[in-house]
Formats: sequence, C-alpha cells, structure tokens
Amino acid sequence: QQKVQQSPESLTVSEGAMASLNCTFSDGTSDNFRWYRQHSGKGLEMLVSIFSDGEKEEGRFTAHLNRASLHVSLHIREPQPSDSAVYLCAVSGGSNAKLTFGKGTKLSVKS
Amino acid sequence: DPKIIQKPKYLVAVTGSEKILICEQYLGHNAMYWYRQSAKKPLEFMFSYSYQKLMDNQTASSRFQPQSSKKNHLDLQITALKPDDSATYFCASSQRDKTSNERLFFGHGTKLSVL
Repeated sequence: QQKVQQSPESLTVSEGAMASLNCTFSDGTSDNFRWYRQHSGKGLEMLVSIFSDGEKEEGRFTAHLNRASLHVSLHIREPQPSDSAVYLCAVSGGSNAKLTFGKGTKLSVKS
Repeated sequence: DPKIIQKPKYLVAVTGSEKILICEQYLGHNAMYWYRQSAKKPLEFMFSYSYQKLMDNQTASSRFQPQSSKKNHLDLQITALKPDDSATYFCASSQRDKTSNERLFFGHGTKLSVL
C-alpha cells in the first residue's frame, strides 16, 4: 500500500526567502504527483502536477521529481504571507482518482 | 463563485443518527469523488463515480453510501453515525479522459462532528 511522507511537519520562512518542502513515497511505479495547498477552512487548490523526472514550474511554484529516489519536492519562490497554508503532496499510479495524500507541511510566512 | 458546492459547511450529529452530505458541481465534469480528512490523518480517498456509476470504493463500511440522482450531484449518506466518523468530508470532480492526468477540483468541505 502506498505510503506518502512529508517533511518538515511545519516550516516558518521570511517573506521573500525560498521555501522548500519534501515528500517521499513508497511505490516506485507511481506516475502522477501533485502538490495542493489548503488554506484554513478552505478546499484544496492544486499548485503543480508532474509526471516525469525533472522539474515543472507553475508561476512561483516548482516541483522536482526523482522517482529513483522516491522523492518529490516543492519549492516556493518569493513566498508571501498569503502563502501561509498547509501544503499537501499527493501521489497516484494507474487510476488518477486514487490519490494518496501525505499529512501535509504547515507553512508560515513571516513579513 | 465556487463551482463545487458542498452543503452544509458544518454539521453536528448525535451518535446513531443518519446524515446526508450534499455535493453539486457546475464544472461539467463526468467524474465525482468523496475524500475524508480526519484529525491528524492524511486526506483519504473514499469513492469515485464516473457517469453516475460507482468506479471505486475504498471505504470498508457500508454505512457510507454515495447517491447520484443527477450527473452533477454526488451526495454522501452516512447511517448509524459514530464519533470516529467526525471529519471533514471533501467532494471533488474531474473530467476523465484516456490519460491519467486530469485535474481534480475540490469543494470547501463539510465538517462533521458526531457527539
């Protein structure tokens, strides 16, 4: 059964400094990786999806995937206080609907 | 203007009762899903429906029954409620195609508390 672990559990960065979040997964056949953001009391907002090794950029959000290392990361360039939220890593293989989520990283951006 | 509407936003129920969580999507999608987020646990997949037919069910308990009366509706009926059912329930939808890369859109969730 797929296991998805995120680190750190919480992260505080200053406005404008790069924020880096990590995610490891257990199933090497996974082929679909997504990062979501969840502001308190809100639904999930997809930030970036990546399907092959390398990097994928969507605005200030860049995902890096290394399937051999079972690792996908998210880097947030020039974070702002409005980026403060819980960031969720989601992984799947085969059926896209069965996303397996990590517990999340709580990001706080201080101005 | 939310395109996936979940009602109610908050719900309090007593143990043993039955509740229905409502979900409607106005994105024209052909697939809908339910996910659950319990305290201190990751968000977990429950059901997927495509063209109003059940595609996948990862919920062990038959107390959870999805109901699709229209193609843009997927309600969730929960019977014999237990305190462990307390969680935020998220509805999602997507436009399924031949690839596995379709994007899921999530509603804001219904937070259920069972006393």
